Amino acid sequence: NAGVTQTPKFQVLKTGQSMTLQCAQDMNHEYMSWYRQDPGMGLRLIHYSVGAGITDQGEVPNGYNVSRSTTEDFPLRLLSAAPSQTSVYFCASSYNTGGSEKLFFGSGTQLSVL
Amino acid sequence: GQNIDQPTEMTATEGAIVQINCTYQTSGFNGLFWYQQHAGEAPTFLSYNVLDGLEEKGRFSSFLSRSKGYSYLLLKELQMKDSASYLCAVNTGGFKTIFGAGTRLFVKA
Repeated sequence: NAGVTQTPKFQVLKTGQSMTLQCAQDMNHEYMSWYRQDPGMGLRLIHYSVGAGITDQGEVPNGYNVSRSTTEDFPLRLLSAAPSQTSVYFCASSYNTGGSEKLFFGSGTQLSVL
Repeated sequence: GQNIDQPTEMTATEGAIVQINCTYQTSGFNGLFWYQQHAGEAPTFLSYNVLDGLEEKGRFSSFLSRSKGYSYLLLKELQMKDSASYLCAVNTGGFKTIFGAGTRLFVKA
């Protein structure tokens, strides 16, 4: 049981570069989401998805795109990286969207934008 | 707006009891979660409360008062491995869970 798998673990980008953070889960979870974690600010929701083909914005969506073509995968795209996007990114999933289900987190991606 | 407040840091002694408080003001409420996060690792689920009262799970207990917008996490018989950040989170409905900034707990011998 792999759970939630994120790649890469570490990434350094230059301002203006693009990249995709990968997230995959093997638990058949309907709900998937992306958070960023910054010192003193806690986890902030970027985008989420309640099923294949359905995505929506969270608290801090600007500068990020997502898609959900399969139940398993939920990639996060940075189209033009900025230093303000330096952060630790976590992907999370849960079985359903009812609100009572706990989130399972991936191990995180530490991103630095120079 | 949405706001979840918890103390930034706490220190306690091995074997003691510590209570970590969380207050929240959110547009909706569909349950409150506590997560544990060790440095450099992912958060892991500890507890869930949706009704008022105390939920006990081994050395960990969590309390909720919806009318006061208040919760606490109680850790008993503290161990060194309990040194971590504890995150209070509220599912606000609409498929969104928002988090407080977390409380860093230091357990000293």
